[in-house]
Amino acid sequence: AQSVTQPDIHITVSEGASLELRCNYSYGATPYLFWYVQSPGQGLQLLLKYFSGDTLVQGIKGFEAEFKRSQSSFNLRKPSVHWSDAAEYFCAVGAANQAGTALIFGKGTTLSVSS
Amino acid sequence: DSGVTQTPKHLITATGQRVTLRCSPRSGDLSVYWYQQSLDQGLQFLIQYYNGEERAKGNILERFSAQQFPDLHSELNLSSLELGDSALYFCASSLSGSGDTQYFGPGTRLTVL
Repeated sequence: AQSVTQPDIHITVSEGASLELRCNYSYGATPYLFWYVQSPGQGLQLLLKYFSGDTLVQGIKGFEAEFKRSQSSFNLRKPSVHWSDAAEYFCAVGAANQAGTALIFGKGTTLSVSS
Repeated sequence: DSGVTQTPKHLITATGQRVTLRCSPRSGDLSVYWYQQSLDQGLQFLIQYYNGEERAKGNILERFSAQQFPDLHSELNLSSLELGDSALYFCASSLSGSGDTQYFGPGTRLTVL
């Protein structure tokens, strides 16, 4: 069965420090991979996505993620965190090339930014 | 702003009641998805419609139903509501029905008292 694991429930990072949020997936075929961000009381905003090709993908707000098939991982990174990055981050996997596409989400990682 | 709209923003109702949540997809998108976000279950896929037809089904209760209309807006109907149905319900839309990016609306927060 498809699944997504985000091992870290809560991470605190100092403003200006680098960030890496972990995501591991389980999926038999070629996955579509996504990172979404949710600020308090808000909907989900797409940060970046991986469909195929270059395994290092760039997203909005200075985020990037690297797809590693051998490790079944799609970790999210940012070189320098800003206070406005405090939010909940969700990794998701979608079925590729099937008639219907449901996103399977991880449980999320809450990011706190300290000054 | 993703371009996906959902109404109402908040809904408070009592157990046993029935409610309807509405979603308008982004202009040009043919597919609509419904997700439920709760503290214990996280984000779970409920159902997908593509151009008016049901395309995929997830963990949607029999008390819940959805449809997509000719103008492509969608409604999620929740009936015989229970306390455990309290959650944030998201609608998302995508251009096609398979394997492309889903854009999420702001959600409807349902509280069942």
